[in-house]
Amino acid sequence: DIVMTQTPLSSPVTLGQPASISCRSSQSLVHSDGNTYLSWLQQRPGQPPRLLIYKISNRFSGVPDRFSGSGAGTDFTLKISRVEAEDVGVYYCVQATQFPWTFGQGTKVEIK
Amino acid sequence: EVQLVESGGGLVQPGGSLKLSCAASGFTFSATGMHWVRQASGKGLDWVGRIRSKTNNYATAYAASLKGRFTISRDDSKSTAYLQLSSLKTEDTAVYYCLFSGSRGEIYWGQGTPVTVSS
Repeated sequence: DIVMTQTPLSSPVTLGQPASISCRSSQSLVHSDGNTYLSWLQQRPGQPPRLLIYKISNRFSGVPDRFSGSGAGTDFTLKISRVEAEDVGVYYCVQATQFPWTFGQGTKVEIK
Repeated sequence: EVQLVESGGGLVQPGGSLKLSCAASGFTFSATGMHWVRQASGKGLDWVGRIRSKTNNYATAYAASLKGRFTISRDDSKSTAYLQLSSLKTEDTAVYYCLFSGSRGEIYWGQGTPVTVSS
């Protein structure tokens, strides 16, 4: 199975400041069809996970443009350009390139 | 609008069984593979298993750690996927989510249904 490793595991951020989360996979996530099925999820306290980004950098419907994804191969990054109070929660990367799907451990974003 | 609605969770004793349902709408369910993921309280996300479409012979696969205790099925006429939980252990206590990957590679989630295994 592909292992997904996120850093940091905790990210205290000042409101209005940027935040960045890294996700590294143990193998390349490039699928045989040429796509890279790496997504980012947000889970607010008491809520189910919500899709933010799919295929590295595509924002899902309704996701604010302060969220952006980048990367390639085995290294990926989620950036929040200016953290707002509603961004508090746990963020997960997930790969759906290779079966079984696997998740990062989660990164907790909190306000300083 | 895509919707996934899980149901069937609840309190069950160790060794017991439970059958979860995932009612789907807003997409072509019969052509779509469905997955189940679970999350213990305060923990991360763990993939449980998946069932493919009829075109792919309804093939199923499960996390190795489950050791045959869980079974995924589907009823395309009802646009519903199921997760049968058997020989339940306290460590199976979690919220169970159904999900699938859309045509663009996006992942759709349900709201989840909680399962508590306790005497």
